[in-house]
Amino acid sequence: DVKVTQSSRYLVKRTGEKVFLECVQDMDHENMFWYRQDPGLGLRLIYFSYDVKMKEKGDIPEGYSVSREKKERFSLILESASTNQTSMYLCASSYGVGTGFYEQYFGPGTRLTVT
Amino acid sequence: KNEVEQSPQNLTAQEGEFITINCSYSVGISALHWLQQHPGGGIVSLFMLSSGKKKHGRLIATINIQEKHSSLHITASHPRDSAVYICAVSPRQGNLIFGKGTKLSVKP
Repeated sequence: DVKVTQSSRYLVKRTGEKVFLECVQDMDHENMFWYRQDPGLGLRLIYFSYDVKMKEKGDIPEGYSVSREKKERFSLILESASTNQTSMYLCASSYGVGTGFYEQYFGPGTRLTVT
Repeated sequence: KNEVEQSPQNLTAQEGEFITINCSYSVGISALHWLQQHPGGGIVSLFMLSSGKKKHGRLIATINIQEKHSSLHITASHPRDSAVYICAVSPRQGNLIFGKGTKLSVKP
């Protein structure tokens, strides 16, 4: 079975802190994604990566950066956390050259609260 | 206008009922996905389909490409089916586009 793990299920941080969310997949997938999920808005893509050291902005990249130094690991960084970044963060991975066609496998999510 | 619309937003059913959740989309697609999210957050892919119909246990997904419409059916519903069901489409170019989800509650 494909396994996508995220470093924390719940996280509470203070405004202005630098926050790292880590995601690891064990299926040698090319593509990895970071989403945030908010009530009434659904899933929104923050960043994705289709190869090591490659990254592309999604729909809402402002306030975030990412790092992919190894194929299995994709990190989301909040440089200076703000209260409007309180959300559920979901990581996903998939095979393939294209990012839309293949089934995505999701991690359990990290519920981040910024106070 | 959202590119992926789901209906209903919320659905309450009695155990044993037949359930249908609908998804309409406005873009050309290469595939459509149905996802399930239980309380607690984790998302599981139920189906990926580009034509016709797929069945897995009590779940059936259908798609009509010409009408840009898909349905997810649950037969003999059970309280453990309570979850948010999310429709997502793979456009011909670009990343997945998600619907806002349908929250299903099945009462015993």
